[in-house]
Amino acid sequence: DAGVIQSPRHEVTEMGQEVTLRCKPISGHDYLFWYRQTMMRGLELLIYFNNNVPIDDSGMPEDRFSAKMPNASFSTLKIQPSEPRDSAVYFCASSRGGLASEQYFGPGTRLTVT
Amino acid sequence: GDSVTQMEGPVTLSEEAFLTINCTYTATGYPSLFWYVQYPGEGLQLLLKATKADDKGSNKGFEATYRKETTSFHLEKGSVQVSDSAVYFCALPNAGGTSYGKLTFGQGTILTVHP
Repeated sequence: DAGVIQSPRHEVTEMGQEVTLRCKPISGHDYLFWYRQTMMRGLELLIYFNNNVPIDDSGMPEDRFSAKMPNASFSTLKIQPSEPRDSAVYFCASSRGGLASEQYFGPGTRLTVT
Repeated sequence: GDSVTQMEGPVTLSEEAFLTINCTYTATGYPSLFWYVQYPGEGLQLLLKATKADDKGSNKGFEATYRKETTSFHLEKGSVQVSDSAVYFCALPNAGGTSYGKLTFGQGTILTVHP
C-alpha cells in the first residue's frame, strides 16, 4: 500500500496567492482528516470527512480556508488568499473509522507564505 | 469534553537511560488510548495502543498500560537510543455526537537522546 499521498511536499508562495494542497487517502478508508502543525500552536485539526461528507469544520481558521472531498480517493485544502501566518506543515490523515482505528498520516506539505 | 494532558517537555536523555512520558486523560467511558510518534520531517505514526482497561500496548521496546483507576497511559522505555529522538503524542478518540471518529491529541513531548 502506498500510504496517504500528499502533494506538493513543499510550497512557497507570495501573500495573496491561492494555494491548493492535495491528498489521496488509503483505499477503503472512510475518514479523512486535515491537520495543521506549527511550533506556536502545535497540531490542530482543521476539518474531517466521513464518506466524503464534511463532519466537523470547526477548526478551519477563517473563510479563507476551504476543503472539499469530491470522491473517496481525493481531497483538497484551499487557502485563498494566503497570508504569512498560514505558513505551517499541513497533514492529511485517513482511517477506517471506529474508536480503535489508527489514523495514517501523510508526509505533510510544508507551506511558506512570504 | 474529552481531553489529554502530557508532561511538559522537552525531555533530554543520554543513550540507554530510562524514559517515562506521562499522559493522563478525561473522557466519557473507557476509550481506546494511543501513543503516536513523529520523527523529524515526517508525519505522525502509531507507536502503540490499548483498547481496554489494564491492557498493555507495546512496540519497539516502548510500553504503556491503560490504567482506568488513575486515568493514565504513561509511555515507558527501559533503554532509549539516539534513534528514538522524536515528538511523542498521547491521543484518545472522541466517542460522542458530532465529534465521533476524531482524535484528541496531547500537546506533544519532544524527546532528544544524546550518545
